[in-house]
Amino acid sequence: QKEVEQNSGPLSVPEGAIASLNCTYSDRGSQSFFWYRQYSGKSPELIMFIYSNGDKEDGRFTAQLNKASQYVSLLIRDSQPSDSATYLCARSYGNNRLAFGKGNQVVVIP
Amino acid sequence: KAGVTQTPRYLIKTRGQQVTLSCSPISGHRSVSWYQQTPGQGLQFLFEYFSETQRNKGNFPGRFSGRQFSNSRSEMNVSTLELGDSALYLCASSNGQVNTEAFFGQGTRLTVV
Repeated sequence: QKEVEQNSGPLSVPEGAIASLNCTYSDRGSQSFFWYRQYSGKSPELIMFIYSNGDKEDGRFTAQLNKASQYVSLLIRDSQPSDSATYLCARSYGNNRLAFGKGNQVVVIP
Repeated sequence: KAGVTQTPRYLIKTRGQQVTLSCSPISGHRSVSWYQQTPGQGLQFLFEYFSETQRNKGNFPGRFSGRQFSNSRSEMNVSTLELGDSALYLCASSNGQVNTEAFFGQGTRLTVV
């Protein structure tokens, strides 16, 4: 089993709607998580970082971490066409070593 | 405050050659990690350096190596290039402590022909 799983296929959402992305992980070691956004041909850009159980909000983005159920999610409220990108979930093992999921493509339809 | 700088941005090499990529982290950051990104495998961890010492290593062959200098700049080297080494190589800068953010550079796009 991979360390970090992002199983959902491409997600299409209408402009202004909420996009919901999920990520599960396989063991209960170091539990810091990152969400990165990656536009085609560009490098990953850090959106959210969470290590405490519960919710963390930053602007239109909310990350949720549930350690008991071993998942982390990202909500994008009021989705904009500029949010169209691939979203990568990553788990930190400390020492600046990240394990990434394969990513979820989000398409926001105007 | 300058971000993470990777050079060169693009490279084309021939099979069997070697290549050196460079990464300058954010000022004050002492940890540099390297990743390989391909369409099939996604982002995979290569290795991490902190204060000139390799602390972590991923599951890549010995052809992939790296080092870090006293100013925290890091280089990675790939010897005896193979077609499968074609990828986007990314470095991530961090202060190296637990529960802190990691920021990526623009990447180096390596094409092996």
